[in-house]
Amino acid sequence: DSGVTQTPKHLITATGQRVTLRCSPRSGDLSVYWYQQSLDQGLQFLIQYYNGEERAKGNILERFSAQQFPDLHSELNLSSLELGDSALYFCASSGRPTYQETQYFGPGTRLLVL
Amino acid sequence: AQSVTQPDIHITVSEGASLELRCNYSYGATPYLFWYVQSPGQGLQLLLKYFSGDTLVQGIKGFEAEFKRSQSSFNLRKPSVHWSDAAEYFCAVGGNGQNFVFGPGTRLSVLP
Repeated sequence: DSGVTQTPKHLITATGQRVTLRCSPRSGDLSVYWYQQSLDQGLQFLIQYYNGEERAKGNILERFSAQQFPDLHSELNLSSLELGDSALYFCASSGRPTYQETQYFGPGTRLLVL
Repeated sequence: AQSVTQPDIHITVSEGASLELRCNYSYGATPYLFWYVQSPGQGLQLLLKYFSGDTLVQGIKGFEAEFKRSQSSFNLRKPSVHWSDAAEYFCAVGGNGQNFVFGPGTRLSVLP
């Protein structure tokens, strides 16, 4: 158990809909990362937050957005969903926002868009 | 832009045999290099990482990796594989101010 929690574990929705994925980092970690894992794109870094502020942006679509709240939990919002958004979405956390810090991954949220 | 290649999509080894998983990277500066393992239905777990110093890095579960700058490689090795090592292995590269990039992964199967 990494100490990172993600909810829900599974999510099934329809095209055009909007969903919110939630992540609670390990106790004391200030940095949160979001990743998408799909069969055709592999593992991709989406976005990173540190202590409530956006720190780095990867291959995140404009239909997707994220935020980190004062209690340090983070939410990833996916809107106007398409079939290709079906994927496993991981959250990871670390203490400081540098890659020298070990990232601890949550179990992921599996999203299926029908 | 940085990139990572893992030439082997799937590798099968017998339990007790040695293992080497290949990773090649492209990065403009000194890279931070990582190996992660993903067991079926699980999240990713860090095996080891390299930032600087000794080019042979020891990790958890008996794994090690060697950084070879001249070959732009960071291959993962284990002298004796256990059945529980069957999983997907990802090499990744990142650096200050740069995105974290994963390779496509190598699936390891272990024969009894």
